[in-house]
Amino acid sequence: GQNIDQPTEMTATEGAIVQINCTYQTSGFNGLFWYQQHAGEAPTFLSYNVLDGLEEKGRFSSFLSRSKGYSYLLLKELQMKDSASYLCAPSKAGNMLTFGGGTRLMVKP
Amino acid sequence: EAGVAQSPRYKIIEKRQSVAFWCNPISGHATLYWYQQILGQGPKLLIQFQNNGVVDDSQLPKDRFSAERLKGVDSTLKIQPAKLEDSAVYLCASSLDRTSGSTDTQYFGPGTRLTVL
Repeated sequence: GQNIDQPTEMTATEGAIVQINCTYQTSGFNGLFWYQQHAGEAPTFLSYNVLDGLEEKGRFSSFLSRSKGYSYLLLKELQMKDSASYLCAPSKAGNMLTFGGGTRLMVKP
Repeated sequence: EAGVAQSPRYKIIEKRQSVAFWCNPISGHATLYWYQQILGQGPKLLIQFQNNGVVDDSQLPKDRFSAERLKGVDSTLKIQPAKLEDSAVYLCASSLDRTSGSTDTQYFGPGTRLTVL
């Protein structure tokens, strides 16, 4: 079965740093995706972690701990355009993703 | 490179009517997915195709939903008859899947927003 837990909403200030956590219980776990979804738009790929540790990509970084079933997405130097939902999605064999409910991030001036 | 195309973008129907959605994946992508996303929730996988074969349709309500990908490229998703709770955005995604067992990024289309009255 699948169980994915991430906060429903978060608020942060422009220029700040925010960390969005995700815990999961997934049978046959391969890796973990993070997607960004602006209101009324399709999800867009942010990151994919297979190995434990931190992967940095510009202002966005993603961390994975396979043994703890835990991941986080770190957003630095927040901009207003980062206001969106962030979806945690563990993957398993056959490229099958299960999405969490998403974390709606609101960035305020 | 063109992205995943979907049509229509919006559809309003009355309950018990039928509706069909169309998806054209990124050229060369072997795997195609249909997701249902209810407002405020994450996408839920309905069906996954590898070329023209079904990989997983365990969450597809088969009494009313059907999908096909006859030539391994385009796909259609049909709902017949629709219920109020089918109101959602229907997202199509595709991935390359270069080798069996690989995990490739899924790229999403803009979705079809369905309202059932």
